[in-house]
Amino acid sequence: EAGVAQSPRYKIIEKRQSVAFWCNPISGHATLYWYQQILGQGPKLLIQFQNNGVVDDSQLPKDRFSAERLKGVDSTLKIQPAKLEDSAVYLCASSLVVAGGVNEQFFGPGTRLTVL
Amino acid sequence: AQSVTQLGSHVSVSEGALVLLRCNYSSSVPPYLFWYVQYPNQGLQLLLKYTSAATLVKGINGFEAEFKKSETSFHLTKPSAHMSDAAEYFCAVSDDYKLSFGAGTTVTVRA
Repeated sequence: EAGVAQSPRYKIIEKRQSVAFWCNPISGHATLYWYQQILGQGPKLLIQFQNNGVVDDSQLPKDRFSAERLKGVDSTLKIQPAKLEDSAVYLCASSLVVAGGVNEQFFGPGTRLTVL
Repeated sequence: AQSVTQLGSHVSVSEGALVLLRCNYSSSVPPYLFWYVQYPNQGLQLLLKYTSAATLVKGINGFEAEFKKSETSFHLTKPSAHMSDAAEYFCAVSDDYKLSFGAGTTVTVRA
């Protein structure tokens, strides 16, 4: 079974530029998550999709970050314009929807963003 | 909201020695708890999970964790460290299908 795919793996941009990250979840996983992991910290949830609908985007800085999952499969996370503090690893994860059960999330390798 | 606290940002152990990573949770309801491992430049991999069945949970790579409600703890252990255990470890709690992670503990293994 193929895992969660992410691209690019690394990106270096200057502040005020735009950047986009792509994620393809495990086949059949209805739920998709984007996390931001700043160096020395645990991952922080940015946005959660179920199929192509947003479940939780309360931690997404909506003035500069946007995400979409148009066909309920792969997803794109965009930052426009980027700030220095956006330097982090952006992790994508996916899971099955298990009613009343344990939500095991499977993570991709991440995209390491450096903003200069 | 549920949360976890990991005690100790860095742990150094000798090869063959016990590995003990501490995690305490804050939850108003019986929690689902997880331990993940992250190797350099990789994503997170699930080590084990607690789902209110057995209080002693066995995971991959020889790791296990014990859920102690009285201490609100879910500490991770491995009897004998191997060089390949050098990584960062995260404790997490599931809150309405959303994972909240601790800050992580970096493990180094001395030869």
